[in-house]
Amino acid sequence: NAGVTQTPKFQVLKTGQSMTLQCAQDMNHEYMSWYRQDPGMGLRLIHYSVGAGITDQGEVPNGYNVSRSTTEDFPLRLLSAAPSQTSVYFCASSYSRAAANYGYTFGSGTRLTVV
Amino acid sequence: TQLLEQSPQFLSIQEGENLTVYCNSSSVFSSLQWYRQEPGEGPVLLVTVVTGGEVKKLKRLTFQFGDARKDSSLHITAAQPGDTGLYLCAGVGSYSGAGSYQLTFGKGTKLSVIP
Repeated sequence: NAGVTQTPKFQVLKTGQSMTLQCAQDMNHEYMSWYRQDPGMGLRLIHYSVGAGITDQGEVPNGYNVSRSTTEDFPLRLLSAAPSQTSVYFCASSYSRAAANYGYTFGSGTRLTVV
Repeated sequence: TQLLEQSPQFLSIQEGENLTVYCNSSSVFSSLQWYRQEPGEGPVLLVTVVTGGEVKKLKRLTFQFGDARKDSSLHITAAQPGDTGLYLCAGVGSYSGAGSYQLTFGKGTKLSVIP
């Protein structure tokens, strides 16, 4: 049972480039989300999804797009990378729409540097 | 916006010592979770507390949810080097549409246990 798989683990981008961070889960979880983790800022929610075809914005959505065409996959797209998007990105999933009471399963993260 | 304040931010102790980490808010949470994160990895769920006054034990770790459901504590007895990591509390708070309940994360307590 792989849980939540994130790729790539490390990435360096130039300012203005675009890329997609991949997230896949094999637990048939309804709820999936993307967080960024920055020193002194904690984990901040970027976007989330409560099921295939349904997405919504979190606390810091600007500069990011998501889609959820299948239950398993929830990619995060950076449209035009900026140095302020240098961060560690985590994908998390949960069993239910009442997500939080069941706890989240996190991936191991993608460390992104924008130069 | 519901905020969770964790204290202390950093804690360095000798193996065998006891310690307590605190998680406080002015808001009421319906439940609260504790996670541990090791370097280069995503957070891993330790426990969820739901009822005000609830106490849960996980081997040498004791978690308590405050009677008013605004605060929580994590107590570690006889700390070991394997307890080293970032401890995060996360509260289930306000409804944010689309049938989901978001987690609010504290910024974490970084624990180092010295052999």
